[in-house]
Amino acid sequence: AQTVTQSQPEMSVQEAETVTLSCTYDTSESDYYLFWYKQPPSRQMILVIRQEAYKQQNATENRFSVNFQKAAKSFSLKISDSQLGDAAMYFCASGTYKYIFGTGTRLKVLA
Amino acid sequence: DTAVSQTPKYLVTQMGNDKSIKCEQNLGHDTMYWYKQDSKKFLKIMFSYNNKELIINETVPNRFSPKSPDKAHLNLHINSLELGDSAVYFCASSQDQAGTDTQYFGPGTRLTVL
Repeated sequence: AQTVTQSQPEMSVQEAETVTLSCTYDTSESDYYLFWYKQPPSRQMILVIRQEAYKQQNATENRFSVNFQKAAKSFSLKISDSQLGDAAMYFCASGTYKYIFGTGTRLKVLA
Repeated sequence: DTAVSQTPKYLVTQMGNDKSIKCEQNLGHDTMYWYKQDSKKFLKIMFSYNNKELIINETVPNRFSPKSPDKAHLNLHINSLELGDSAVYFCASSQDQAGTDTQYFGPGTRLTVL
């Protein structure tokens, strides 16, 4: 069975600083993808970044990057130069034949 | 030009009633999904359709019945609503039916059962 664990219910970061959100997963599948989605107060789910498990290179999207450790089954999200608009719930998900979401991390950005 | 739209955005109803939520996507995707997000923000898949065919049906009470008239639409009908059905329901779509493809979500429908 697939599981996704986000051990940080809430995190805070000062504006312009860097923060890392943790995610660990478990799957028996060899072909899978990993995702980070953002859910701001508007509740719209927005894709932040995705990683293909067979690629060793960590995915990057502007200020967002991941640290993918396949052997450790870890997929953390780093947000650099944090902005007020980054404040949201962040969900990690693993995908094989369906998505399994973690319980989310609420990120607060302090001005 | 919204990619995935849902109606209504808010739904307040009494226990025992029957209600429907509609979803439409204009991305040309083949696969559509329904998710339930509970009060603790936990997001779980309920159903998935590919080209109008049901491919994922999680352990959801049979009071919930999805209907896909065409591949751009996936509606959710709920019979005999219960208090525990209160949640936010998200529709999503992807090109591929595998969970490895990026899914695009609608704005969600907040259902409140009184």
